[in-house]
Amino acid sequence: DSGVTQTPKHLITATGQRVTLRCSPRSGDLSVYWYQQSLDQGLQFLIQYYNGEERAKGNILERFSAQQFPDLHSELNLSSLELGDSALYFCASSKRGGPGELFFGEGSRLTVL
Amino acid sequence: AQKITQTQPGMFVQEKEAVTLDCTYDTSDPSYGLFWYKQPSSGEMIFLIYQGSYDQQNATEGRYSLNFQKARKSANLVISASQLGDSAMYFCAMREDNNAGNMLTFGGGTRLMVKP
Repeated sequence: DSGVTQTPKHLITATGQRVTLRCSPRSGDLSVYWYQQSLDQGLQFLIQYYNGEERAKGNILERFSAQQFPDLHSELNLSSLELGDSALYFCASSKRGGPGELFFGEGSRLTVL
Repeated sequence: AQKITQTQPGMFVQEKEAVTLDCTYDTSDPSYGLFWYKQPSSGEMIFLIYQGSYDQQNATEGRYSLNFQKARKSANLVISASQLGDSAMYFCAMREDNNAGNMLTFGGGTRLMVKP
């Protein structure tokens, strides 16, 4: 158990819909990262937050948005969903002062029909 | 250009034998870190081992060791005495310290299958 909690574990929805994925980092970790893992794209970095502020942005679509709340949990919002958004979405956190390894949650598997 | 390249999409190894999973990387940043993760069929990402660019010795963690060849920009993972439970996807990743964030960039992965 990495200590990172993601909900929901599985989600099935239709094209055009909007979903919210939630992540609670490990106790004491200030950084939260979101990654998308699809079959044809591998693990793609989407966005990073540090203590409530956006720190870095990767290949995140404009239809996607995220935020980190004062209690450090984070949410990834996916809207106007398309078939190609079907993927495993990981949240990860990291600790200050360490070598920088990311601790991943179990992921949220999104299926868009 | 790909920052992390894993050229072996799939590999077989006999149980109890050693196996090397290849990883090459591309960066102009003098300070960086290299990581290996294991992803079993259940889907979770498990951190295995880390090597810093300034580390003089190769990292080891139990049956895992990282063969770091800086001049060649390679960071191969060696698993000794393979076990059936080692069957999984393995990902190499890099953190570049000049980046605004400290996200990891992942390679495409290698699927390892251990034969009994």
